[in-house]
Amino acid sequence: AQSVTQPDIHITVSEGASLELRCNYSYGATPYLFWYVQSPGQGLQLLLKYFSGDTLVQGIKGFEAEFKRSQSSFNLRKPSVHWSDAAEYFCAQTGNTGKLIFGQGTTLQVKP
Amino acid sequence: DTEVTQTPKHLVMGMTNKKSLKCEQHMGHRAMYWYKQKAKKPPELMFVYSYEKLSINESVPSRFSPECPNSSLLNLHLHALQPEDSALYLCASSQKERGTEAFFGQGTRLTVV
Repeated sequence: AQSVTQPDIHITVSEGASLELRCNYSYGATPYLFWYVQSPGQGLQLLLKYFSGDTLVQGIKGFEAEFKRSQSSFNLRKPSVHWSDAAEYFCAQTGNTGKLIFGQGTTLQVKP
Repeated sequence: DTEVTQTPKHLVMGMTNKKSLKCEQHMGHRAMYWYKQKAKKPPELMFVYSYEKLSINESVPSRFSPECPNSSLLNLHLHALQPEDSALYLCASSQKERGTEAFFGQGTRLTVV
């Protein structure tokens, strides 16, 4: 069965520090992978997506993610975090059904 | 334009009321979705419409009734809801049901009293 695991429920980083949010997926073939960000009480904004091709994908707001088939991972990174990046981050995949399967989310807190 | 517009932003309704949530997109997308999200949880899929036909119903109670009047609009009709139905209701759309990314609206915060 398809699933997405985000091992870190809550992460705190200092402003200006680098960030890596982990995501592991379970699917027999190559899935379509996404990272979404959600500020409190708001909808989800698409940060980036991976369908095929270059395994390092660039997204909006300075985020990037790397697809590693051998590790079934799609980790999100940012070299320097800003206070406005504090939010909930969801990793998601779709397989052959087209249905979005979300991880449980990681709450990012940014210390000044 | 990657905008999905949802109205209203907030809704308070009694358990005997009938209300509707509305969603609109003008991106030419042919798949539209309703999700329900409880606090501190990921969104849960409720319904999928593909080319204006109901494609997926995730065993949602009949007190939630979706409607897709045309390719740009998606409604969710609410009747006889329970307090546990209070949640953020998110609409999303994508070019097609499979193989494309979904864009989400800002949601309707629903409170059932």
